[in-house]
Amino acid sequence: AQKITQTQPGMFVQEKEAVTLDCTYDTSDPSYGLFWYKQPSSGEMIFLIYQGSYDQQNATEGRYSLNFQKARKSANLVISASQLGDSAMYFCAMREKTSYDKVIFGPGTSLSVIP
Amino acid sequence: GAVVSQHPSWVICKSGTSVKIECRSLDFQATTMFWYRQFPKQSLMLMATSNEGSKATYEQGVEKDKFLINHASLTLSTLTVTSAHPEDSSFYICSARSPEAEQFFGPGTRLTVL
Repeated sequence: AQKITQTQPGMFVQEKEAVTLDCTYDTSDPSYGLFWYKQPSSGEMIFLIYQGSYDQQNATEGRYSLNFQKARKSANLVISASQLGDSAMYFCAMREKTSYDKVIFGPGTSLSVIP
Repeated sequence: GAVVSQHPSWVICKSGTSVKIECRSLDFQATTMFWYRQFPKQSLMLMATSNEGSKATYEQGVEKDKFLINHASLTLSTLTVTSAHPEDSSFYICSARSPEAEQFFGPGTRLTVL
């Protein structure tokens, strides 16, 4: 069964606008972590932001924030003030305590920032 | 931040040959490393978990005799693709788990099998 769902294969956003990338997940483990990674065309995986299942507040890192809705099992990434360099693939990922900390990835969303 | 390297960054080989890819954690000891495969325009698929000093744990559907993993030291894991075929052409990415349980990714290795 798909553990992580990203329903938006591709997204467009105007430069300087904000954009939300959706992510829903499925787990029965009470202890888990959620990640967002950016993958530009070079292929490297760039860590953006992390949210632990027990964290009370939504994670923020600069222009990135994570809208964590635990009851809905949702962990959407919000990018504010989009820049041309934000054009890339974005992957939502999850790590479960009971799975020996291995990280599994969602299918990804391709974001294109339009000047 | 911590650095994980992979070598080579790209490799082209003939069908039937074996290819070894190295993953090194440069500034921390990693008891656990992970190997992923990514086909074009797809996500990263976990292949196996590499544990220092013990056998790797393979994900369902991954042939352990074809993808040999050796985690001989706390800073090095190797993935050997044996008898490679064109369908094995892919982007292979490793990650290493730090003692603080953070995960750092290598830059990836692009394998092309002719």
